[in-house]
Amino acid sequence: AQSVTQLGSHVSVSEGALVLLRCNYSSSVPPYLFWYVQYPNQGLQLLLKYTSAATLVKGINGFEAEFKKSETSFHLTKPSAHMSDAAEYFCAVSEGGSEKLVFGKGMKLTVNP
Amino acid sequence: GAVVSQHPSRVICKSGTSVKIECRSLDFQATTMFWYRQFPKQSLMLMATSNEGSKATYEQGVEKDKFLINHASLTLSTLTVTSAHPEDSSFYICSARGDSLEAFFGQGTRLTVV
Repeated sequence: AQSVTQLGSHVSVSEGALVLLRCNYSSSVPPYLFWYVQYPNQGLQLLLKYTSAATLVKGINGFEAEFKKSETSFHLTKPSAHMSDAAEYFCAVSEGGSEKLVFGKGMKLTVNP
Repeated sequence: GAVVSQHPSRVICKSGTSVKIECRSLDFQATTMFWYRQFPKQSLMLMATSNEGSKATYEQGVEKDKFLINHASLTLSTLTVTSAHPEDSSFYICSARGDSLEAFFGQGTRLTVV
């Protein structure tokens, strides 16, 4: 069975600073990996996804993530944080595009002025 | 991206009553819909998967008789919380998936049972 680990629950950065949100996965077959963002009292919006093509994936709002099989990681980064990036971020995995998404516990990102 | 509309966004109901939440795919045909429950400061937990015209597949530990799911058409799925109790208070989110690999999420429904 697949699983996702997002260590910690909260990250705080200054506006303009690098954003790094970590995600490690476990999967018995080649995984599909996703990052979603959730604003308060709203559903999830897809930021980016990895589906076995290029290992460096670019998403919306300046975010990108790199799939590293040797490290079983799919960390999310953004070079310069903006106040509007403050939200909850979830990493998710599915096995080879299967229907079920397994989510990590989420990471709350706070951006300080 | 495609749009999934979930209604209502907030609902307060009395203990013992039933509540229906709707999930509609507005511009694509959703062959599969998923219902999640999210507790405060926690991740999304998949409750059930439903395919159009078929019975829903529930995850282990989810009461089928309490959380009734209907997926009668390619654009609509409903979740009915029957005989709701305060412990059912939560944020419920649906997602819909069509021919592509991507699942699109609704805005969520905040259910409060008093």
